[in-house]
Amino acid sequence: AQSVTQLGSHVSVSEGALVLLRCNYSSSVPPYLFWYVQYPNQGLQLLLKYTSAATLVKGINGFEAEFKKSETSFHLTKPSAHMSDAAEYFCAVTFNYGQNFVFGPGTRLSVLP
Amino acid sequence: DGGITQSPKYLFRKEGQNVTLSCEQNLNHDAMYWYRQDPGQGLRLIYYSQIVNDFQKGDIAEGYSVSREKKESFPLTVTSAQKNPTAFYLCASSTAAWGTGELFFGEGSRLTVL
Repeated sequence: AQSVTQLGSHVSVSEGALVLLRCNYSSSVPPYLFWYVQYPNQGLQLLLKYTSAATLVKGINGFEAEFKKSETSFHLTKPSAHMSDAAEYFCAVTFNYGQNFVFGPGTRLSVLP
Repeated sequence: DGGITQSPKYLFRKEGQNVTLSCEQNLNHDAMYWYRQDPGQGLRLIYYSQIVNDFQKGDIAEGYSVSREKKESFPLTVTSAQKNPTAFYLCASSTAAWGTGELFFGEGSRLTVL
C-alpha cells in the first residue's frame, strides 16, 4: 500500500535559518506529490506540487521541493525562515488509476526569534 | 471569489444527536471529499464523490453518511453511531475525477461532543 512518512513531528528553526521538512513516500507507480500548509483552525493551502515535469518545484512564499526518485523523497526547503512560516506542513501523494490522496502525519514548524 | 464554504465553523453536540456539516463549492469541480483531522494523525478520508449521485466510503466511514445530489454540494452527517466524533472536519474538492489534480480545501468545521 502507498504511504507517506514525514520525519519529525515538530521542527524548530531560528528566524533566517534554513527550513528543511522531510517527506518520503512508498509507491509502485509514479506519484504526484504535494506540500500543503495549515495555519491554526484553518483549512489546508497548497504550497507546491510535482506532476512529473521538472524535479525541482518552486512554490509560494519562497518554498521549493525536489523530487528524488532514487530516494523516494520530496523534501521541502526554504532558504530563510520567517516568523509567518510557523504552521503545520503536510506532504501528500496521489497516483494514477483512481487512487485517492494519502497524507503524511504532518510536521509542525516553529520559528524562533 | 471561487472557493469552498464550510459551515458551521464551530459546532457543539450532545451525545446521541446527529449533526450535518455543510460543504458548498463554486469551483465547478467534479470530485469532493470529506476528511477528519485529529492531532498528530494527519488527515483521514471519510467519504469521497467523483460525480453527482455517486460516492464511496473512505478509510473511516463508519458512523458517517453523505449525499451528493448537486455538483456543488456534499454534506456530511455525523451520526450517533460515530463513537468519537470530536474532531476537525475538512471538505475538499478537485478538478480531476481520478485524483490527479490538487485538492482545494474549505476552512474546516470543528465539532465538539459534550
